[in-house]
Amino acid sequence: QQQVKQSPQSLIVQKGGISIINCAYENTAFDYFPWYQQFPGKGPALLIAIRPDVSEKKEGRFTISFNKSAKQFSLHIMDSQPGDSATYFCAASMRSSGTYKYIFGTGTRLKVLA
Amino acid sequence: GAGVSQSPSNKVTEKGKDVELRCDPISGHTALYWYRQRLGQGLEFLIYFQGNSAPDKSGLPSDRFSAERTGESVSTLTIQRTQQEDSAVYLCASSHTSGRAGTQYFGPGTRLTVL
Repeated sequence: QQQVKQSPQSLIVQKGGISIINCAYENTAFDYFPWYQQFPGKGPALLIAIRPDVSEKKEGRFTISFNKSAKQFSLHIMDSQPGDSATYFCAASMRSSGTYKYIFGTGTRLKVLA
Repeated sequence: GAGVSQSPSNKVTEKGKDVELRCDPISGHTALYWYRQRLGQGLEFLIYFQGNSAPDKSGLPSDRFSAERTGESVSTLTIQRTQQEDSAVYLCASSHTSGRAGTQYFGPGTRLTVL
């Protein structure tokens, strides 16, 4: 119940294309769903996040789509660029005893071809 | 402002030795997390600290792992009698729980290699 399943494991996209990464969760207690971007040798950095009371959130070229009934959410990267090549992690968070516990997906390695 | 810092950035040790990893969180952040990231894998939760409350140690893989935090400042993660399977990047993150849903800010990690 605490797992977050992420797919695909790796993704290759042409420059200008759309990258789509999917995640699914089980525990309905999760109430915050962030996406992190990680470049080699660096720690993950928050990219965009959504709460379950909205179905979509867009920030620039990055969009999260959220389907509460299906317990699924996805990251869409529009007009993908070579600089977007990185590993992307979805996560699900719930408040527990005054703080937030995070469960991470296993990551998607994205490569955008020039 | 300064982000989360971790030291050392790299650590190579021999099997059976003890290692200590350090994390300096963002000033004012009450929550601090440790994660382990094996090569090509996701983030594995180890432990978190929230203010002066008892830490949640539910993610520690064995009793060889321990962590301490003094108040809301520096934290150290200690691995005793290291094994080759302990080789990984150890990431620290901090968050201000009154902020945007407790957003975590990660440090650059410590890459541990056990020979």
